Amino acid sequence: GAVVSQHPSRVICKSGTSVKIECRSLDFQATTMFWYRQFPKKSLMLMATSNEGSKATYEQGVEKDKFLINHASLTLSTLTVTSAHPEDSSFYICSARDLSGRIYEQFFGPGTRLTVL
Amino acid sequence: DQQVKQNSPSLSVQEGRISILNCDYTNSMFDYFLWYKKYPAEGPTFLISISSIKDKNEDGRFTVFLNKSAKHLSLHIVPSQPGDSAVYFCAASAKEYGNKLVFGAGTILRVKS
Repeated sequence: GAVVSQHPSRVICKSGTSVKIECRSLDFQATTMFWYRQFPKKSLMLMATSNEGSKATYEQGVEKDKFLINHASLTLSTLTVTSAHPEDSSFYICSARDLSGRIYEQFFGPGTRLTVL
Repeated sequence: DQQVKQNSPSLSVQEGRISILNCDYTNSMFDYFLWYKKYPAEGPTFLISISSIKDKNEDGRFTVFLNKSAKHLSLHIVPSQPGDSAVYFCAASAKEYGNKLVFGAGTILRVKS
């Protein structure tokens, strides 16, 4: 149980284009999903917290107009990197909190490697 | 300001021996601590956790110790196995901050056979 999937696993795009990453909880309902970014050999940095049916809460320093988050259902959240630039290249990971589980426990997706040329 | 610190970037251990991974934190509001294991190009997987009201939690080969006064926790793996080789992240959360996870920088564990 508690499986989270991400799609795509890897994407290469040209500078200036937008990329959408999907995060799905496959066997549980998630009122809250989180989006993280990981730089090489660095920790996971929380970008935003996504709540189903409401606007996402962004961490300080994260541009909400650049990283659009939509949490349309209890099993799906999407992150759209708009007008991507090479500095947006990174490993993006989502996690989901089980509606019926412990509030501090998050289940992570396998991540998406974004490369912007 | 790094609130959760893992000061050892890497650790190398012989198979069968004990692996000890350390984590320090600065924020006394943290009330729950977790350890995650991560392989390259994969998301972290939950390993073990501990509430701030406890000082030890054990699950099979994995034991987490919490020293609140020192703001220090450690993960013990015994016996270590080659399959344990991965990056281990310590994370902390607090009710006051919406139970968001704050991660340390990770420690690369290599278990040699």
